[in-house]
Amino acid sequence: AQSVTQPDIHITVSEGASLELRCNYSYGATPYLFWYVQSPGQGLQLLLKYFSGDTLVQGIKGFEAEFKRSQSSFNLRKPSVHWSDAAEYFCAVGFQKLVFGTGTRLLVSP
Amino acid sequence: DAEITQSPRHKITETGRQVTLACHQTWNHNNMFWYRQDLGHGLRLIHYSYGVQDTNKGEVSDGYSVSRSNTEDLPLTLESAASSQTSVYFCASSESGGPQHFGDGTRLSIL
Repeated sequence: AQSVTQPDIHITVSEGASLELRCNYSYGATPYLFWYVQSPGQGLQLLLKYFSGDTLVQGIKGFEAEFKRSQSSFNLRKPSVHWSDAAEYFCAVGFQKLVFGTGTRLLVSP
Repeated sequence: DAEITQSPRHKITETGRQVTLACHQTWNHNNMFWYRQDLGHGLRLIHYSYGVQDTNKGEVSDGYSVSRSNTEDLPLTLESAASSQTSVYFCASSESGGPQHFGDGTRLSIL
């Protein structure tokens, strides 16, 4: 069965500290991989995507993610978190249809 | 700029009533999707369409229907609203193999 696991429901990071959000997936073949961010009352905004090629992908707002085929993982990272990064983050995998993880809520402390 | 618009943004209705949520995109995308978002479940796919006259059931399609008469619109209908369908609904569109673009959602409360 196809599934996406985001093991951390909530994460609190101090402003200026680094961030890593975890994502593991189960899929028949290597799917396309996505990270989305959702601010309260808003829709989902695409942060970055992986289709093929270089396994380290850069996205908007200073985010990056690394695809590790052997671990079926696609973890999201940011070297220095800003207060405006507080939001919910979703990992998604698939081709035409996507399977979403249950999300990780990021809290940023001063 | 191209966009995807959902209406209404908020709706309150009663159990048993028929409800239709609108989704309109100007991306000219062939693919359109409807999701519901509930705490602890992330986004779950309700129905999707890969083109005009094409509709398909997702993982939580019971009690919902869609129709696709043109490229721009994919309305979602709740035939007889139930309290379990209280949720936030998101519409998305994509080109073939591309990332999905989301609307701002409709918050639906069924009393």
